[in-house]
Amino acid sequence: DTGVSQDPRHKITKRGQNVTFRCDPISEHNRLYWYRQTLGQGPEFLTYFQNEAQLEKSRLLSDRFSAERPKGSFSTLEIQRTEQGDSAMYLCATQVRGQNTEAFFGQGTRLTVV
Amino acid sequence: RKEVEQDPGPFNVPEGATVAFNCTYSNSASQSFFWYRQDCRKEPKLLMSVYSSGNEDGRFTAQLNRASQYISLLIRDSKLSDSATYLCVCGYSSASKIIFGSGTRLSIRP
Repeated sequence: DTGVSQDPRHKITKRGQNVTFRCDPISEHNRLYWYRQTLGQGPEFLTYFQNEAQLEKSRLLSDRFSAERPKGSFSTLEIQRTEQGDSAMYLCATQVRGQNTEAFFGQGTRLTVV
Repeated sequence: RKEVEQDPGPFNVPEGATVAFNCTYSNSASQSFFWYRQDCRKEPKLLMSVYSSGNEDGRFTAQLNRASQYISLLIRDSKLSDSATYLCVCGYSSASKIIFGSGTRLSIRP
C-alpha cells in the first residue's frame, strides 16, 4: 500500500489518559499535516511539518497536544490528559512541497474519550 | 472571520440539476486552490485543482475570481453519486499550510 497510513483507526480512551497516534506518509512526500475534524465541520488545521521541522502549530492547540516527525518520515501526535472535547477524527495528510500539489489523506484515527 | 468560508448547505437538488457552490477566502496572498470531496465517514479526496484560467473536468467546472476572492464549483447533470460534502481548500504559497473550509453538503435526490 503506497498511500498514507494511520494507526490506530479507532481509539477509545478514558478521560485523563494519554494517547498517541501515528501517521506514515507516502514515501516521497516531505510535507505532513495533522487536522482534526468533528461532525459537520471541515478539517481543522493542527500543525504541519516540512521534513522533520515543525513549521507551524495552530494557536487553538493546547499544550496537551504535541507532534513529532523525528526523521522526516513518520509522525506521531500525542494528546496528554485527554478530555471529552478531544473526541474527533484526527486526519493526517501528506504532500510534495510546491504549489498546486495535491494533499493525500490517510483514513484517520477516530478518537472517543469517555 | 474564518480564513476560508463556505455555505454549509445542505443543498438538496434533483438528479440532473445543475448546482453551484462558492467559497470565499480572506487572505489575498492565497495562491493555490482546490476542491476536495468527502463522503460520510471517509477521508477527503481531491476533486480538482482550481487554476487561474478556470478548468473543467467532465461535469465539473471550477473557477477562480481573485478580485472578489472566491472560488466556485459547478456540477452539471448531477448524479446520485455526487451526494457528498465538498471542501474548499486554499494555500498561501509553496511554503505555507493549506486551509480547509467547513464544507458544503450536497444531497442529490432521485
